[in-house]
Amino acid sequence: AQRVTQPEKLLSVFKGAPVELKCNYSYSGSPELFWYVQYSRQRLQLLLRHISRESIKGFTADLNKGETSFHLKKPFAQEEDSAMYYCALSGLEGNKLTFGTGTQLKVEL
Amino acid sequence: GAGVSQSPSNKVTEKGKDVELRCDPISGHTALYWYRQSLGQGLEFLIYFQGNSAPDKSGLPSDRFSAERTGGSVSTLTIQRTQQEDSAVYLCASSLGPSSSGQFFGPGTRLTVL
Repeated sequence: AQRVTQPEKLLSVFKGAPVELKCNYSYSGSPELFWYVQYSRQRLQLLLRHISRESIKGFTADLNKGETSFHLKKPFAQEEDSAMYYCALSGLEGNKLTFGTGTQLKVEL
Repeated sequence: GAGVSQSPSNKVTEKGKDVELRCDPISGHTALYWYRQSLGQGLEFLIYFQGNSAPDKSGLPSDRFSAERTGGSVSTLTIQRTQQEDSAVYLCASSLGPSSSGQFFGPGTRLTVL
C-alpha cells in the first residue's frame, strides 16, 4: 500500500525565515512525488513534481529514497506563501494520487 | 483555455436523497479522476477514468456511489440514498493521458447532507 505522512498540521514562520514542510512516504517501488498547494478560496494546484527537479515560486523539493522523504523547502518565506500544502504520491496502484493530510503554512509579518 | 469545471459548486440535500455531481474536464484530457476532501479523512481517491472506462474504482466507499463518463468528456458522480457521512467536498481532476504527472483540479462541489 502507498502512504504519505505530513507530520505538521500547522507551521507558522516569520516573513524572511526559511521554510521546510516535511513529507515522508511509504511505497515499495519507484514512486512519483508531488507537492500541491491550495491558496485561500482557490482550487488545488500543482506546485512541484520530483521528476522535473524544478524550482517554483522559490520552492524546491528533493526526493530522498534512503529516508523516503520529499520535504518542501524555501529559503525566505513570503506572506503570499501562506496556504495549505499537500504532499502526494503516485505509484503502481493505478494512476491515482495518494495525499498526505496537509500542512497549513502561515507566514507572519 | 478553460480549466476543469464542476457543478454545482454547492449542494445541500436531505438524508436519503440521491445527488448527481458533474465534472467537465479540460478539453483533450483523456484521464479523469474523482477525489473527496473531508475533515476527518483528508483527500481520498474515489475513481479513475481513462476515456469512458473506469479501470480503478477502488476508492468508491460503498455501492451507493457510482460514476460514469460519456463521450470521453463529461463525468457524473452519483450518490444514492445520501448519508450525513457523505458530506464533503468532491473534487474532479483531469490529465492529458494515463499518468498523474499533470493532474489539474476543478474547484470542487461542496455537498452537505442534512
